Amino acid sequence: DIQMTQSPSSLSASVGDRVTITCQASEDIGSFLNWYQQKPGKPPKLLISDTSNLELGVSSRFSGSGSGTDFSLTISGLQPEDFATYYCQQYHFIPPLTFGGGTKVEIK
Amino acid sequence: QVHLQESGPGVVKPSQTLSLTCSVSGTSIDSGGYFWTWVRQHPGTGLEYLGYISGSGKTYYNPSLTGRVSMSADLPQNRFSLNLTSVTAADTAIYYCARGFAEFAVVRHFDYWGLGTHVTVSS
Repeated sequence: DIQMTQSPSSLSASVGDRVTITCQASEDIGSFLNWYQQKPGKPPKLLISDTSNLELGVSSRFSGSGSGTDFSLTISGLQPEDFATYYCQQYHFIPPLTFGGGTKVEIK
Repeated sequence: QVHLQESGPGVVKPSQTLSLTCSVSGTSIDSGGYFWTWVRQHPGTGLEYLGYISGSGKTYYNPSLTGRVSMSADLPQNRFSLNLTSVTAADTAIYYCARGFAEFAVVRHFDYWGLGTHVTVSS
């Protein structure tokens, strides 16, 4: 299976900060990388698909980049509603798809 | 609006079979382009993809489940199900059903999720 390593596992930030979360794949996955946001007691919500495609209705302060094995999710101007756990997910054409371990974004 | 809802027992005894159903509304599970999936989340940890069933009955199961899993679809009722046999405490988790956007027989991402159902394996 392709292993996805997210870092950091948690971070503390203030409202208005720029935050970057990284995700590293154990092998080349091209651009087959998605990002989800999960709040306590809720299912994950798809934010970004195919590395950088923002889902409909998702704030433009979220952006994604990368290719191959190294990817990042950036939140520009952190808002109170952005405090959550973020997961990356790869879907390379050799299954199974796998998720990263998550990054918890907490209020400083 | 697409809506998914999981149902099933909250407690299952060790060695028994965990059975969950996902009822779907707002779309038909035999519509093309989507697979119907199960994802679980162990307490306080990350997400594990269990597999999918398509509207035509094609299935994929995560090999990590070592042959214990099966999925089925009930087209008239527009729902699909998960069976996981020989459960242990390690199967205690929140189980989500989700719609998977699919291309070339591969789930690319999950766009709609149920709220999840917590299953505890305990005697």
